[in-house]
Amino acid sequence: QQPVQSPQAVILREGEDAVINCSSSKALYSVHWYRQKHGEAPVFLMILLKGGEQKGHEKISASFNEKKQQSSLYLTASQLSYSGTYFCGTERSGGGADGLTFGKGTHLIIQP
Amino acid sequence: EAQVTQNPRYLITVTGKKLTVTCSQNMNHEYMSWYRQDPGLGLRQIYYSMNVEVTDKGDVPEGYKVSRKEKRNFPLILESPSPNQTSLYFCASSLSRGGFTEAFFGQGTRLTVV
Repeated sequence: QQPVQSPQAVILREGEDAVINCSSSKALYSVHWYRQKHGEAPVFLMILLKGGEQKGHEKISASFNEKKQQSSLYLTASQLSYSGTYFCGTERSGGGADGLTFGKGTHLIIQP
Repeated sequence: EAQVTQNPRYLITVTGKKLTVTCSQNMNHEYMSWYRQDPGLGLRQIYYSMNVEVTDKGDVPEGYKVSRKEKRNFPLILESPSPNQTSLYFCASSLSRGGFTEAFFGQGTRLTVV
């Protein structure tokens, strides 16, 4: 069952902040975040394991609330290069036995 | 260079003509998978493999077959393609030790079935 991402799309001015949410109705072991530029393959951003860890990568960070089965991706002071489609992927067990299930994606457009 | 290689990148075929999309990785990854990407539906998993000779169905396996005879290769087979299989396909690989690590994606194969 696909995780639910919100919003579906967001348009920002360069320098503004964005939050992308990902939620699941099932207990999760981990949440992954990927970014895909138009016409390219998805590229890994980060993994969050259950335990409520918050990870960071430059001006992109994320959190994982395992009680609510929700993850949020935070993009601060957005840059033009952040434009693309963001996908969360969820894993229900730690052994990879059930695969990685992706949401439908959030389209992010950064304008100058 | 660590990479996942898919071939072909683009393919136009006719309904019913068997085809194979190849996927190869050079990272000695145990876990490989196939996804299809359609507008508004995101990435949906077709099949995955946890190791050689171990494969399992994902969320949308109908009309597809896979095999994993070698660790590095994971071909996707469409025995009798139909127009509803027109899509963008991605192969991915990752280590699988006690949980997922980063997934590396191939460049994608855009398939059109007419």
